[in-house]
Amino acid sequence: EAQVTQNPRYLITVTGKKLTVTCSQNMNHEYMSWYRQDPGLGLRQIYYSMNVEVTDKGDVPEGYKVSRKEKRNFPLILESPSPNQTSLYFCASSFSRVGTGELFFGEGSRLTVL
Amino acid sequence: DQQVKQNSPSLSVQEGRISILNCDYTNSMFDYFLWYKKYPAEGPTFLISISSIKDKNEDGRFTVFLNKSAKHLSLHIVPSQPGDSAVYFCAGLLYNFNKFYFGSGTKLNVKP
Repeated sequence: EAQVTQNPRYLITVTGKKLTVTCSQNMNHEYMSWYRQDPGLGLRQIYYSMNVEVTDKGDVPEGYKVSRKEKRNFPLILESPSPNQTSLYFCASSFSRVGTGELFFGEGSRLTVL
Repeated sequence: DQQVKQNSPSLSVQEGRISILNCDYTNSMFDYFLWYKKYPAEGPTFLISISSIKDKNEDGRFTVFLNKSAKHLSLHIVPSQPGDSAVYFCAGLLYNFNKFYFGSGTKLNVKP
């Protein structure tokens, strides 16, 4: 089954404790990206990657890091989480150059930073 | 600065009637506009898109209209079904920058 898998789905952590949210896709997609969803703000792009070893900032990259060492994986790293990073996070993937805009999303990871 | 706005947080419609979801944008450089549907505890799923050079695109019960002069797009669902109850996001795509800009969503409730 074609899918984008995120882990963990739910996480409560404390300020400053490094964490990683993993994202894996099995569709051989070249394009992957991370979004956060906050009330009243919709989905905002954090980082995206056009291919292995190619990453670029989205609109809200502060406080996040990403890496793309393999085509299928695109982890989101919070080196020192803060309460304002409490959010619902989505990973998404697509064919190269995002075509007509069809993104395939994971089920989301709800992160709470205390 | 939100480049894509959905000003109606919610919409309630009777089953069988038409649902019209609206979206406004500020960036005239968007190459595509898209609608995604999201059920609770799931990720958004792609619904329909329209190129900026078109003014209408239809797919079954779903039709998207684009009015470039007004910088406005709308999604029509006819007839509405209870299974259409979800949050709908519109988005603009800057193709050369690989960037998507999403609205804040409209929660549609279709009553049986």
